[in-house]
Parts: sequence; structure tokens; C-alpha cells
Amino acid sequence: AQTVTQSQPEMSVQEAETVTLSCTYDTSESDYYLFWYKQPPSRQMILVIRQEAYKQQNATENRFSVNFQKAAKSFSLKISDSQLGDAAMYFCAYRIVGGSNYKLTFGKGTLLTVNP
Amino acid sequence: GAGVSQSPSNKVTEKGKDVELRCDPISGHTALYWYRQSLGQGLEFLIYFQGNSAPDKSGLPSDRFSAERTGGSVSTLTIQRTQQEDSAVYLCASSLQAGGPGELFFGEGSRLTVL
Repeated sequence: AQTVTQSQPEMSVQEAETVTLSCTYDTSESDYYLFWYKQPPSRQMILVIRQEAYKQQNATENRFSVNFQKAAKSFSLKISDSQLGDAAMYFCAYRIVGGSNYKLTFGKGTLLTVNP
Repeated sequence: GAGVSQSPSNKVTEKGKDVELRCDPISGHTALYWYRQSLGQGLEFLIYFQGNSAPDKSGLPSDRFSAERTGGSVSTLTIQRTQQEDSAVYLCASSLQAGGPGELFFGEGSRLTVL
């Protein structure tokens, strides 16, 4: 079974600084998708960034970027120039390509605090 | 509506009662997912629908839990004879199609408290 591990239950960062959230996963599949979702206090999950495993180039979305290390099964999220609005719970998630199992498997999350 | 809508937003019930949680997905989204979020436990997959069919019910914790989807749209998650361990936030999400890199769009969840 696929598992997703987020080893940092909580992280904090100063406003305007950079922070990296860790995620590792366990799979025997060669092709899959990886995602980072953000859950602010409103509870509504929002997609931050996604990566397709067959693409070697790391995905980037404005201040958010990932460091995807396929061999190490690592998928970390870097937030640059942190803003107060980035404070939220961040979840790493995994989904295989193809087959019949379309569910997203999530990690337990990392609570990010941004200090002014 | 523009987004995924869930109701009720909050539900307090007594142990042993049945509850129904409703999810109204984004129009045109064929896939619909239910997750349970307990404190410190991340998101636990319950069930997903492709149209009105549920190809994967593997996450339903017990036979007290059931879900249906009608007309390829609204879904209802029913918990019978609720227990205190059922207390959690129940999240619904929809996507244009199942699988692929497609984004899941989440509702704000239904917080269930079982006394």
C-alpha cells in the first residue's frame, strides 16, 4: 500500500523568509502524481502545486516550488518570501497513474505558522 | 453553485443516532470523494464515486457507514448508530474526472460531534 509521511507536525517561519516542508512516500509504482494541498482555518483545502513523476523538472507556482527526488521518494515544498496568508496546514498527497484506484492518499499534514 | 457545497456545516448528535451528511459537487464533475479528518490523523479516504458508481468503498470504517450518489450529482454519507469515535470533520471533494493529475476541489466540510 502506498503511504505518505510528513515528518514535521509543525513548522514556523518569519514573514518574508523561506521555509521547506518535507514529504516522503512509499510506492512500488513508477508513474504517479504528487500534490501539495493547503488547508487554512476555513477548512477548505486548496491545491498549491502538483508534480508528475515522469517529469524531471521541478514544478513551480509563483512563490511555491518543489524539490522532487524520485529515487529518494522525496517531495518537499519550498515557500519563498513567506506571507501571513501562508499560515495553514499543508498536506502532501499521492495518486497512481492509471489502474482503477483513483483515490488521493494524504500525509498527516504540517501546521505552518508565519510570524510577523 | 461555484464550488463544492456541504451541509450541515456543523452537526451535534447523541450517540446511537443516525446522521446524514450532504455534498453538492461542482456541476459537471464526474468524480466525487469523501474523506474523514480527525485531529492529528490527516485525511482518511472513505469512498469515491465515478458517476453514480462507487468503484472503491475500501475506506468505509464499518457497515454503519454508507454513501450514495444520485443523478451523477449530489451525494449523501450516512452514519448509522453513531459512536463517539465517529466525531470528525467529513470532507467532500469533486473533480472533473477520476484519476489523472486533475485537481480535487474540496468543500468546507461537515464537523460531526457525537456526544
